[in-house]
Amino acid sequence: QVLLVESGGGVAQPWRSLRLSCAASGFPFYTYAMHWVRQAPGKGLEWLAHASFDASKTDYADSVKGRFTISRDNPKNTLYLQIDSLRPEDTGVYYCVREILGRIGFDYWGQGTLVTVSS
Amino acid sequence: QSALTQPASVSGSPGQSITISCTGTRSDIRAFNYVSWYQHHPGKAPKLLIYEVNHRPSGVSNRFSGSKSGNTASLTISGLQADDEADYYCNSYTTSDSRVFGTGTKVTVL
Repeated sequence: QVLLVESGGGVAQPWRSLRLSCAASGFPFYTYAMHWVRQAPGKGLEWLAHASFDASKTDYADSVKGRFTISRDNPKNTLYLQIDSLRPEDTGVYYCVREILGRIGFDYWGQGTLVTVSS
Repeated sequence: QSALTQPASVSGSPGQSITISCTGTRSDIRAFNYVSWYQHHPGKAPKLLIYEVNHRPSGVSNRFSGSKSGNTASLTISGLQADDEADYYCNSYTTSDSRVFGTGTKVTVL
């Protein structure tokens, strides 16, 4: 079955960096576009970034452009999100999300990893 | 990239139908037939209900249906059940090659 397992969350200090990982299994990872989505405490879902199946195309929300970098290692079936210059407002649950093959929509979500930015 | 606008809450009795609206702009909802809807029970992963306005993935109940008119998309839940109580989010592709979620709607089953 399709599994997306995020890791790398935890407590981090402001202005530090953090790299989140998402281990994918149960499907041909190299053929699917992938995304990161987050949810701040008590807030709604926020789309963050997209990587095409081969990472030749990446897109970012304006709110994170320049600080977040999405990447992927297809042979390792892993998606990454590098977060630089952490801010308290980056606190939240970060989800790794798969896009439906050839369509627009997010069909599988990981359980999320919690990032807490605090000094 | 402003969030799409959804009502904060919608409620209904078991068996009733409810509709959740999702209002965007000419740069997102109006521009494409790429609206999707998600059900989110707190503490669990969100679940895809509808993609590309009105397509239902296999395994999703036909009690969920989607539509769009102009800048506004809608999700209708018919035959409301206790387990439908959750948060619901719309999402749209945008003209800047990004995605944007709605503000979210809490559905309460009375």
